[in-house]
Amino acid sequence: DAGITQSPRHKVTETGTPVTLRCHQTENHRYMYWYRQDPGHGLRLIHYSYGVKDTDKGEVSDGYSVSRSKTEDFLLTLESATSSQTSVYFCAIGGEAVGLDTQYFGPGTRLTVL
Amino acid sequence: TQLLEQSPQFLSIQEGENLTVYCNSSSVFSSLQWYRQEPGEGPVLLVTVVTGGEVKKLKRLTFQFGDARKDSSLHITAAQPGDTGLYLCAGARNTGNQFYFGTGTSLTVIP
Repeated sequence: DAGITQSPRHKVTETGTPVTLRCHQTENHRYMYWYRQDPGHGLRLIHYSYGVKDTDKGEVSDGYSVSRSKTEDFLLTLESATSSQTSVYFCAIGGEAVGLDTQYFGPGTRLTVL
Repeated sequence: TQLLEQSPQFLSIQEGENLTVYCNSSSVFSSLQWYRQEPGEGPVLLVTVVTGGEVKKLKRLTFQFGDARKDSSLHITAAQPGDTGLYLCAGARNTGNQFYFGTGTSLTVIP
């Protein structure tokens, strides 16, 4: 298994509160990704990072921000959570060592916004 | 609008049967991946195909990338209950950057 963990694994929060999800890797891979998975939509890319402090938007980035201050950690922040952000969030890692089109996924975080 | 369409969405078959899952798009991809996901877990990569017309085999699973790099198929021979899961295709438009996932095919293999 790729060394990738996500925390927390489950979270329930209220509308309007800030939420930060953490992805941690021990593989030293350059690329890190945040996805959300919803019924009928599959996995959709929120943001990704191609190096420390280098990030870019994915297809569903509105309402989310990210930060990557060191190689091993990629944080996803919901500044003011909304019910539409209730979802399962997956982090993935990849990079030159395993092929740029290869991704390894973490176990996911189930977020419920009431 | 979904960039990658998978069919069928749901598939329930008897052990020993063969099946094919399709992943189609009107867009060209630099590569295409297939994943399997089990409930409560993250997707697990099965294969990556990068060349138009490429065929890869993984035991009883055969993956094909279309000649025009717009579509792919996954064929399972003699399905087993352990093959049960959600199968996802994903395409990369630019290497290492944006990945677009299909909505998935939920496969159930009945013993």
